Amino acid sequence: QVHLQESGPGLVKPSQTLSLTCTVSGASISGGSYYWVWIRQPAGKGLEWIGRLYTSGSTKYNPSLKSRATISADTFRNQFSLTLNSVTAADTAVYYCANYDATWGGMDVWGEGTTVLVSS
Amino acid sequence: AIQLTQSPSSLSASVGDRVTITCRASQGMRNDLDWYQQRPGKAPKLLIYAASSLQSGVPSRFSGSVSGTYFTLTITSLQPEDFATYYCLQHYDYPWTFGQGTVVDVK
Repeated sequence: QVHLQESGPGLVKPSQTLSLTCTVSGASISGGSYYWVWIRQPAGKGLEWIGRLYTSGSTKYNPSLKSRATISADTFRNQFSLTLNSVTAADTAVYYCANYDATWGGMDVWGEGTTVLVSS
Repeated sequence: AIQLTQSPSSLSASVGDRVTITCRASQGMRNDLDWYQQRPGKAPKLLIYAASSLQSGVPSRFSGSVSGTYFTLTITSLQPEDFATYYCLQHYDYPWTFGQGTVVDVK
């Protein structure tokens, strides 16, 4: 049973860098055919795909973030992380990590989400 | 980017009703679309993947279909636990994009 848990600071100052980690249990982030995904949701709004990391190490990002996002893996700790720099109030949201099964399709495992507030 | 136009944005229904939600894609994308349910304060839950495949453990009253660039989620007999927000997601091309969401509430 795969389980994901997000962690990171709940408050970030404008212009600084947001860093979140997703700890994975029940699967190896460097094995199988999975995408490890970050998604966010501002309060009262819809879902936005941020980007994904494939088990090979390749990454893809949403161009709407204007190259501010980086997703990386720590295979030793079995974690993957999101870094978003130069944050503004518009980056305030609930951030979710999720696991997409590239063989069958669909993000069937999600973390519970972590709220990040960008404010001075 | 592929645009997904999801409709309606909200609907009111009663227990036992048949509910249909549609996502229209801005271009052809095979069957690379999923449907998710999100209850307030919770992470989304996968219902349907590859347009019409029912995720394990999801009740059979949920179904998905596709005709061209029109993808449909149907709930045949709405249950109390189905009042929620529903999203479609395309993963045919980058960036992956979600529909705007459909809120299903109590009539």
